Amino acid sequence: AQRVTQPEKLLSVFKGAPVELKCNYSYSGSPELFWYVQYSRQRLQLLLRHISRESIKGFTADLNKGETSFHLKKPFAQEEDSAMYYCALGGANNLFFGTGTRLTVIP
Amino acid sequence: GAVVSQHPSRVICKSGTSVKIECRSLDFQATTMFWYRQFPKQSLMLMATSNEGSKATYEQGVEKDKFLINHASLTLSTLTVTSAHPEDSSFYICSANRGPYEQYFGPGTRLTVT
Repeated sequence: AQRVTQPEKLLSVFKGAPVELKCNYSYSGSPELFWYVQYSRQRLQLLLRHISRESIKGFTADLNKGETSFHLKKPFAQEEDSAMYYCALGGANNLFFGTGTRLTVIP
Repeated sequence: GAVVSQHPSRVICKSGTSVKIECRSLDFQATTMFWYRQFPKQSLMLMATSNEGSKATYEQGVEKDKFLINHASLTLSTLTVTSAHPEDSSFYICSANRGPYEQYFGPGTRLTVT
């Protein structure tokens, strides 16, 4: 069965500190993983996906199949990074979301 | 590009009535749209997959007779909550596929049933 686990509901870091949002998944096939972000009063939007191997707004995420993880990282957090972050597992036509982590960057 | 709109953004209805929520892809065609439900401080729960020109596919536990989905065109899907009850109060979000791995989300509709 598909499952996405984000163990931290809330995460607070100081501005300039590194941040890591954890995501673990369970999937029997070859997974496609995504990170979505929802800023205050805005709609959900794609942040990055593992197949693109890109860095968006300083964030990166590496798929670790051995640990079944797809943690989101940024070396230096900024205040504008404060938002709700969702890890998602899926394919071309559907997505299963984790419960989300609310990141607060403290000035 | 890739904008998805929802209407209305907020709706209040009385218990027992029905309410329709529209989801539109404004600048692209979407053969597949999705409807999610989000409870306060919880994640998005996929309710159903809406396919243009065919019946929607509902997730387990979602009553298809209560949540009617119609995807009549490549740019419009509607969700009708029939005989609404207070427990149906929630935030309903739609999304549309522009292509593989390209899912764009609407701003959501907050439904309150009194």
